[in-house]
This record gives sequence, C-alpha cells and structure tokens, in this order.
Amino acid sequence: GDSVTQTEGPVTLSEGTSLTVNCSYETKQYPTLFWYVQYPGEGPQLLFKVPKANEKGSNRGFEATYNKEATSFHLQKASVQESDSAVYYCALSGDSNNRIFFGDGTQLVVKP
Amino acid sequence: EAAVTQSPRNKVTVTGGNVTLSCRQTNSHNYMYWYRQDTGHGLRLIHYSYGAGNLQIGDVPDGYKATRTTQEDFFLLLELASPSQTSLYFCASRDRVREQYFGPGTRLTVL
Repeated sequence: GDSVTQTEGPVTLSEGTSLTVNCSYETKQYPTLFWYVQYPGEGPQLLFKVPKANEKGSNRGFEATYNKEATSFHLQKASVQESDSAVYYCALSGDSNNRIFFGDGTQLVVKP
Repeated sequence: EAAVTQSPRNKVTVTGGNVTLSCRQTNSHNYMYWYRQDTGHGLRLIHYSYGAGNLQIGDVPDGYKATRTTQEDFFLLLELASPSQTSLYFCASRDRVREQYFGPGTRLTVL
C-alpha cells in the first residue's frame, strides 16, 4: 500500500542555519505530494503541494522537489527562523485515492 | 471565519463513558475525515466520508463509530470510552484538488 517515511524528530537547529527534512514515499499510483505544517496549538495546514513529477513546490522560504526516480520529496530551507518551530508532515495522495497518507511528522525546534 | 470547526475543544470523561465529537465544515467539500494524533504516531485516520450517509473505514477504526448527517456535519462517537482513546482528535475536509483543511482539534482525556 501507499506509505510515507520521513526524518525522525525532533530536529534542533540554531536560527540562520539550513534545514533538510527527508521524505521518501511508496506508491504504485501517480501521486500528488504535500508538505503540511502544524504550529503549536493548531491543526495542520498546507505548506505547499506538487502534483507533477520533477517539479518544485515552495512557500514561506521552504521548498521541495518531487523526484519520481528517487521517490523522494525532501523539504529544505536555507535559513530557519525561530517562528519556523513546528511539526512538518510529508504526505501523498494517489490519483485513485480519496485520502491522504501522512508520514509520522518531524518536529523542528529552532533556537535563537 | 474558520471553515472547519470542532466541538468541544476539550473533553474529560471516564472509562466506559459515551462521547460524541462534532465537526462542521462550511467549505462545501464532499470529503470529511477524522484523525487522532498521538506522540510518535503522527496523524492516524479513523473514519472518513464522501457525503451524507456515507462512511468509509480508516486505519484505526476499532472503538469508534462515525456518522455524517449532512454535507456540513460529521460526528465521531465513542460509545465505551477507554484510556487508550485519550488523544488529540482532528477533523478535516478535502477539496477537489486533494488539499485537506483541518479544524483546531479536540483534546479528549479518558480517566
């Protein structure tokens, strides 16, 4: 079945350093890939999505490229801020799915 | 104005108690979902629905019932609550391009 595996957290960084959260996926379908972010005390919200292979998605300085050959969708940011502290979820939805498959989430802690 | 709302926001009950969690969406979306969130497990799908009267089973359905009464309203029922059901519960709706919109969550404690 469909599944997503991502970097296990927590990931602790200092402000201004770079971030990579690894995400790999398994599916026999042609998926749309997502990154969701969950701030403390809130529900998850969409950060961005990429419906097509070999394309890049981005938002708020975060970006990820849908790599079909490597079945990966790693999240990157060049310079993190304390306000980026949150839990990040990688997710996929296959073209015949009516649901989204989420990874287990990666907690990011950014220290000033 | 929030498009997905949940009530109550916090609930404490005892083992064996009867609990109903409510979710309403004003997005006019067909699909709605119930998840539970626990440390180390991320978001786990309990039940989902693609319209009034429809119910689909998710990955962790045991001990939970759900009912979709209208396009807007989706309820999660715990008829004999157990301490293992202590969790943070999220409802979500989904649009036609597969994006999910989450509510603020309900924290349930079963003593």
